[in-house]
Amino acid sequence: GAVVSQHPSRVICKSGTSVKIECRSLDFQATTMFWYRQFPKQSLMLMATSNEGSKATYEQGVEKDKFLINHASLTLSTLTVTSAHPEDSSFYICSARLSLGDADTQYFGPGTRLTVL
Amino acid sequence: SQKIEQNSEALNIQEGKTATLTCNYTNYSPAYLQWYRQDPGRGPVFLLLIRENEKEKRKERLKVTFDTTLKQSLFHITASQPADSATYLCALGHAAGNKLTFGGGTRVLVKP
Repeated sequence: GAVVSQHPSRVICKSGTSVKIECRSLDFQATTMFWYRQFPKQSLMLMATSNEGSKATYEQGVEKDKFLINHASLTLSTLTVTSAHPEDSSFYICSARLSLGDADTQYFGPGTRLTVL
Repeated sequence: SQKIEQNSEALNIQEGKTATLTCNYTNYSPAYLQWYRQDPGRGPVFLLLIRENEKEKRKERLKVTFDTTLKQSLFHITASQPADSATYLCALGHAAGNKLTFGGGTRVLVKP
């Protein structure tokens, strides 16, 4: 159980284009999902918290107009990188929160490798 | 400021031995702590969660301890196998509903 899928797994795009990444919880409902980015040999950096039916909460330094997040249902959150530039090239990973009552855990998607030319 | 430290140096270990990883934190009072495994080019996989009132947790060949006085968690892989080679991340959670804060991870390489 607790499977999270992410699509696409890999995308290459030209500078200036927009890229949409989907994150789905396949066998549970997730009111909260998270979006991270990870540079080579570095840890996960939280970008934003995506809440179903409301606006996402962005971490300090993350441009909300550049990284658009939509969480329209209990099983789907999308991240759109608008007007992508080479510096946006990274590994983007989503996770879905699963409540254990007094604690939460997160189940992660397999990640999306974005390369902006 | 809050800080989570994991040994950034890779841990090389012989197959069959026990690997021990540390996670130290400062300026933080987590309600629980979690360990994840991450393989190259993949998302992290949840392994174990231990609450602040628990001293030890086990799952198959994995054991986690949590010492809130020392502000430290130890993660053990017993009878290690080459398939255990990966990066292991610790993450701290303050309370249910809050985001997790991840450490930098420790890479483990188990040699046959």
